[in-house]
Amino acid sequence: DAKTTQPPSMDCAEGRAANLPCNHSTISGNEYVYWYRQIHSQGPQYIIHGLKNNETNEMASLIITEDRKSSTLILPHATLRDTAVYYCIVRVQWRGSTLGRLYFGRGTQLTVWP
Amino acid sequence: SAVISQKPSRDICQRGTSLTIQCQVDSQVTMMFWYRQQPGQSLTLIATANQGSEATYESGFVIDKFPISRPNLTFSTLTVSNMSPEDSSIYLCSVEGVSGSSYEQYFGPGTRLTVT
Repeated sequence: DAKTTQPPSMDCAEGRAANLPCNHSTISGNEYVYWYRQIHSQGPQYIIHGLKNNETNEMASLIITEDRKSSTLILPHATLRDTAVYYCIVRVQWRGSTLGRLYFGRGTQLTVWP
Repeated sequence: SAVISQKPSRDICQRGTSLTIQCQVDSQVTMMFWYRQQPGQSLTLIATANQGSEATYESGFVIDKFPISRPNLTFSTLTVSNMSPEDSSIYLCSVEGVSGSSYEQYFGPGTRLTVT
C-alpha cells in the first residue's frame, strides 16, 4: 500500500519553480523517498531519490525534512513538457538487494501553463 | 539505463479470450515487474518475476488469471486470461537497474488493452 500523501493537483507558470510536496509520516529508517513522473500515455520515468540528505540532479532537487516525515520535489524552471503526474514513493533499499516493489499512490497532476 | 519494449502496444479483445503481452529488455536484469494501470487510476503492482523462480503475486492477483513466464534475463510475458471488460487497462513491465548505489526502476511504454 502507498505510504505517501500528495495533493491531487498543482499548477505552475512556465519558467517558474514547481514545488511538489509529499507527506510520508510513517516512513521507516531504512526507507528511501523516490520520485517518478508519468507523462500522459507513457511509462513512469525515474526522477530522483534520497534517504535523508537533500539531493540534486539534472532534472530536479529533493528536499527532505530533518524528521524525514515529508519532502518536496523542486523543478527549478518548469517547462510545458514537465506537465505530468508526479509520484512520491517510499521503499526499502539496501546494498546488494532491494525488495524492488514500488507502490504508487494517486500522485500529483502538475500542469505547467504558458 | 535500460530500454524496454512491449508487444503489442495495444489490442482490442473479446471477453473470455486471453492475451499474452511480451516484455523485452536490452540488457540482462534479475528483477522484472508487471503493473496494471486502470483508466484514470494509478499503477498497481501485479507480480514480481525473477528468472529461475516462480513469480510472486501481490494481494488480489492470482497465477491462474495472470500467468507469467520468465525464461531468461531479458524477456518476460504476462498473460491476461479469460478477459472481462474490467481487465481493460494499460499493462506495464519494468526492470530494476543499478547505477552506482542507486536503484532505479525503468518502465516499458505499456500495452493498452481494451476488452469488449
